[in-house]
Amino acid sequence: DAGITQSPRHKVTETGTPVTLRCHQTENHRYMYWYRQDPGHGLRLIHYSYGVKDTDKGEVSDGYSVSRSKTEDFLLTLESATSSQTSVYFCAISESDGRASEQYFGPGTRLTVT
Amino acid sequence: GENVEQHPSTLSVQEGDSAVIKCTYSDSASNYFPWYKQELGKRPQLIIDIRSNVGEKKDQRIAVTLNKTAKHFSLHITETQPEDSAVYFCAGRSTDSWGKLQFGAGTQVVVTP
Repeated sequence: DAGITQSPRHKVTETGTPVTLRCHQTENHRYMYWYRQDPGHGLRLIHYSYGVKDTDKGEVSDGYSVSRSKTEDFLLTLESATSSQTSVYFCAISESDGRASEQYFGPGTRLTVT
Repeated sequence: GENVEQHPSTLSVQEGDSAVIKCTYSDSASNYFPWYKQELGKRPQLIIDIRSNVGEKKDQRIAVTLNKTAKHFSLHITETQPEDSAVYFCAGRSTDSWGKLQFGAGTQVVVTP
């Protein structure tokens, strides 16, 4: 597995509370992504980053924000968690050259919002 | 943007038989099509990919074929084994979506001994 870790791996939180998930990589890859995985929907892109402080929205970005202050860290924040954000969240990374599309996934974070 | 549809949603095969999963895509500009395997409770793992300049790619018991005219691509698993049981996801990337992948909904493959 590529050098990708996610923390926490499991979290239960209450509706309305802020939550931050962390993705950390040791591969020095330029691109980082946050996906959510729900039954019947595959993997849906929330936000992605193409460099330090460079981020953009994916297809399901409402209710989420991201930050990337260092190459190795990409943070996903739920400002005010809702039950619809209960999901498994995966971070992914890819290189910056012609192999940019080969994405490698972290171990995932299971988030439950009660 | 790209839209990827994947069929079937579930596939049950006898050990030793072949399994085929098909995906269709909408954007004729798409040029990269990876396949991921996800075992229960684990992360998706890239198992094979194909770029639009080739029609077929093989790696041991798995192969992927691409038909650009019809805009579909398929994963073929031969001589299936119980360890092939997993969820398989296809994905497509458009040249204008800058590294972003659009995933299919997944196929649950069950290999029975």
